[in-house]
Amino acid sequence: GENVEQHPSTLSVQEGDSAVIKCTYSDSASNYFPWYKQELGKRPQLIIDIRSNVGEKKDQRIAVTLNKTAKHFSLHITETQPEDSAVYFCAASIMRFQKLVFGTGTRLLVSP
Amino acid sequence: DVKVTQSSRYLVKRTGEKVFLECVQDMDHENMFWYRQDPGLGLRLIYFSYDVKMKEKGDIPEGYSVSREKKERFSLILESASTNQTSMYLCASIGGTENTEAFFGQGTRLTVV
Repeated sequence: GENVEQHPSTLSVQEGDSAVIKCTYSDSASNYFPWYKQELGKRPQLIIDIRSNVGEKKDQRIAVTLNKTAKHFSLHITETQPEDSAVYFCAASIMRFQKLVFGTGTRLLVSP
Repeated sequence: DVKVTQSSRYLVKRTGEKVFLECVQDMDHENMFWYRQDPGLGLRLIYFSYDVKMKEKGDIPEGYSVSREKKERFSLILESASTNQTSMYLCASIGGTENTEAFFGQGTRLTVV
């Protein structure tokens, strides 16, 4: 089955810096790659996603890139703010089956 | 707004007890999932269901079972709770094949003593 690895496990940046979180997946059939943000004590929420027919997607300060050949995808946050502090999870799935396999999470801390 | 509601926010049970965790969604979603969240291990899939009375094992089904008698309700059952099942449990639902966003419940923090 699918296996998703996520790095780093923790990431500390200064406000205004950029943050990059990387994931790799194992199943070449996976075609959907979402990112979820979980603030302390709250439920995970989708922040951005990308499908396998697209190499990059951007939404304001966040962007996701996908390299299907290498089975890598990454989350990029620019101009980080303290409210970006949270745990971020990447995931992979085969859209037809809807089954999401998550990475182990990255705790991002943005210091003012 | 999609609502996924879990029956308890916090639960304390004794070793050997049978435990029921309930999840209800109000958006007529076909797909429902139970995940377990542990520090450093992320979200691990226990069981999922594509339709009423259907269930599939996830990555860590041992010690758990599920029930889906109605489309809106997906229950996770710990037949005989053990201390290593102390964890945060998250339920999620996803609509049909054209929809991809998972909506999560608020989580149930289960402690087995």
